[in-house]
Amino acid sequence: NAGVTQTPKFQVLKTGQSMTLQCAQDMNHEYMSWYRQDPGMGLRLIHYSVGAGITDQGEVPNGYNVSRSTTEDFPLRLLSAAPSQTSVYFCASSRDRVQPQHFGDGTRLSIL
Amino acid sequence: QQPVQSPQAVILREGEDAVINCSSSKALYSVHWYRQKHGEAPVFLMILLKGGEQKGHDKISASFNEKKQQSSLYLTASQLSYSGTYFCGTERRAAGNKLTFGGGTRVLVKP
Repeated sequence: NAGVTQTPKFQVLKTGQSMTLQCAQDMNHEYMSWYRQDPGMGLRLIHYSVGAGITDQGEVPNGYNVSRSTTEDFPLRLLSAAPSQTSVYFCASSRDRVQPQHFGDGTRLSIL
Repeated sequence: QQPVQSPQAVILREGEDAVINCSSSKALYSVHWYRQKHGEAPVFLMILLKGGEQKGHDKISASFNEKKQQSSLYLTASQLSYSGTYFCGTERRAAGNKLTFGGGTRVLVKP
């Protein structure tokens, strides 16, 4: 099993550009989440989904959009990149709320 | 609301013990513990549900005191592989069961 796959692994953007971070899981997990981790800091929840067609905001949703059209995929869209969005982005999935979260390897995003 | 972890950092000699605490001012439903090594993704250690249960993972165990809204992670007879940053994540019913992580505790185990 591949687990949780995130693409790309690295990305450099210019301020104002938009892009989509991809996340796919092959474990048939209902719960999927996006976190950002700034250097030396903890994980902050951006958006999450409890199943296909259902999404909700986390702690820091501004500037990001998500959709969940299938169980497997949970893409994160940056609408207009800003330097403050420079971070490492992790996608995670779990069978349900009180089950272990499986994290992808992360996407390292720099915005100039 | 972000849980508070203490200490922020700890340095151990191989074989020594350490305790990491995770506290919240709000009623918790569950506490999750993860370990992250530098440049890698967080890895699951254990989940504790309210009820004061204690769990173990190798020589790492944890407890959850529901009355104090506090969880403690115990590193016993530490090994070099225990080095990393430990994060607790807390879940509250009143917050829509979102998982909120603390700022982390950096652990360095030296030979």
